[in-house]
Amino acid sequence: AQSVTQPDIHITVSEGASLELRCNYSYGATPYLFWYVQSPGQGLQLLLKYFSGDTLVQGIKGFEAEFKRSQSSFNLRKPSVHWSDAAEYFCAVGAADSWGKLQFGAGTQVVVTP
Amino acid sequence: KAGVTQTPRYLIKTRGQQVTLSCSPISGHRSVSWYQQTPGQGLQFLFEYFSETQRNKGNFPGRFSGRQFSNSRSEMNVSTLELGDSALYLCASSKIAGADEQFFGPGTRLTVL
Repeated sequence: AQSVTQPDIHITVSEGASLELRCNYSYGATPYLFWYVQSPGQGLQLLLKYFSGDTLVQGIKGFEAEFKRSQSSFNLRKPSVHWSDAAEYFCAVGAADSWGKLQFGAGTQVVVTP
Repeated sequence: KAGVTQTPRYLIKTRGQQVTLSCSPISGHRSVSWYQQTPGQGLQFLFEYFSETQRNKGNFPGRFSGRQFSNSRSEMNVSTLELGDSALYLCASSKIAGADEQFFGPGTRLTVL
């Protein structure tokens, strides 16, 4: 069964500092990987996705993620965070035969301090 | 292009009642998935519909059901509500079958008293 682990429940980062959010997945075949962001009381917004090809993917809002098959990881990074990046971030995995089902991690809450 | 819309945005029900939530996907999207989000269990997949057919179902009791119409709009129904059904219900749409990127609506916040 596929699973997603986000080891960090909560991260505090200073504005202007770099951010890295960890995601590890477990899946037998090649997974499709996603990062979503959720602001309070809102739905989820897709930041970036990995289906195949270049293992370093660029997303919106200055985010990027790197797929490392050997480590079963898909970590999200941003070089310099802005106060507006404070939100909850979810890593998700899907598969070609998953028929619309995404398996989500528990999420990482990011707090940005001045 | 309009995003995924969900109605109502907020709902308060009492135990034992039933509720119907509605989701209108992005124009041209044929797949609709539903998720339940709670603080304790996180985001859990409920079911997915494509061309009016349920193709995948999560691990929820039969009280949770859904359907999709010919215009791709979808509804989910929860019968005999329990306190534990209080959650944010999210609908997501995607263009095609399989693992396409999903676009989420704002959700319906259901509170069961």
